Amino acid sequence: DAMVIQNPRYQVTQFGKPVTLSCSQTLNHNVMYWYQQKSSQAPKLLFHYYDKDFNNEADTPDNFQSRRPNTSFCFLDIRSPGLGDAAMYLCATNTGTSGSGAQYFGPGTRLTVL
Amino acid sequence: GEDVEQSLFLSVREGDSSVINCTYTDSSSTYLYWYKQEPGAGLQLLTYIFSNMDMKQDQRLTVLLNKKDKHLSLRIADTQTGDSAIYFCADQNTGNQFYFGTGTSLTVIP
Repeated sequence: DAMVIQNPRYQVTQFGKPVTLSCSQTLNHNVMYWYQQKSSQAPKLLFHYYDKDFNNEADTPDNFQSRRPNTSFCFLDIRSPGLGDAAMYLCATNTGTSGSGAQYFGPGTRLTVL
Repeated sequence: GEDVEQSLFLSVREGDSSVINCTYTDSSSTYLYWYKQEPGAGLQLLTYIFSNMDMKQDQRLTVLLNKKDKHLSLRIADTQTGDSAIYFCADQNTGNQFYFGTGTSLTVIP
């Protein structure tokens, strides 16, 4: 059974047209993360939520926003996508409690910007 | 963020052992992880080690951690063609943040 679900798997948008990527989880984990992964590169952490507390990475552009309306769902909003934002976007979850807090990843959404 | 580095490529023959290396700079690491990524897919957790351990074995996988040198390695015994993928190491700090290495592309030659 899928535990971290991302929709859609492939998203095409136009330069400057806002786009929203969706992530949901059935694990009831406290923490949800968004990563950007460009071709042949490591996933780059954009931000994460610990419950409702939002934690932004210092170098995440303002163009990227996130919402977490409840435990299960987290959204990534790209307000004005540029060509450089084309990438795979990965969502992950983590229990947030002490102990082996492994991350569980979704399959990713590949974003194309035309 | 913290720096986590890996060599980019590794080729081995089927049946041989593979050793993938990783170095990191985070002095507050709690756990270190190895993930596998196949083309077009998300990251699959392979194994992990607590930062106070030196070694962990899990079937064909052996993780070695040298905390003093901040060096982590993953050994895959009896490497198979299905092991061909990109392998990422990641460190988790006390703030629940994860930082990934650059990834090592493993090619297994039949």
